Amino acid sequence: GAGVSQTPSNKVTEKGKYVELRCDPISGHTALYWYRQSLGQGPEFLIYFQGTGAADDSGLPNDRFFAVRPEGSVSTLKIQRTERGDSAVYLCASSLTRDTEAFFGQGTRLTVV
Amino acid sequence: DAKTTQPTSMDCAEGRAANLPCNHSTISGNEYVYWYRQIHSQGPQYIIHGLKNNETNEMASLIITEDRKSSTLILPHATLRDTAVYYCIVRVATTGANNLFFGTGTRLTVIP
Repeated sequence: GAGVSQTPSNKVTEKGKYVELRCDPISGHTALYWYRQSLGQGPEFLIYFQGTGAADDSGLPNDRFFAVRPEGSVSTLKIQRTERGDSAVYLCASSLTRDTEAFFGQGTRLTVV
Repeated sequence: DAKTTQPTSMDCAEGRAANLPCNHSTISGNEYVYWYRQIHSQGPQYIIHGLKNNETNEMASLIITEDRKSSTLILPHATLRDTAVYYCIVRVATTGANNLFFGTGTRLTVIP
């Protein structure tokens, strides 16, 4: 597809479980970003990849959150021991380079019950 | 990056120009003003950005004051599909990555 694709679109999990959220960026985009958006708030930055490496992970809230991008394309956001406070929409974005326009996916709505 | 201040909400009549203000009084000389919008249940969408000159593209115009402490996003002929939350963001484009600080934005409602 032409845009950033995120799967699943919705995920319901039980407190304490492990979840993985997937992001397929636009082909050829070297930069990839994860954001989290709680209800009524703007998106909050989590982590930025340039190629395969995490160039800035300062937004990750704690060590239960981890993200990878092993081949410089698809990225997976992993959340261990989920808590109810992790419920939010997780947005992925990509850009051709780190300075150019970022394109966002539709997000994955995570609900922890 | 400098912080921005936007009104919480605004209404605009369909077909009229929507003028969305943003204050960024602590903006630095190398910081750009970016605008994104987020339509309900979608990811944010880039609209326009500028440094100090006014900018125009197919979506909108961006007017930046001479002192750069404020700016206005103009949607020249608002349609119902322009109903969204509009975010004004200030960032250093050339050295920073797209780790954008969105804030809470302005909820624009276009009224038929």
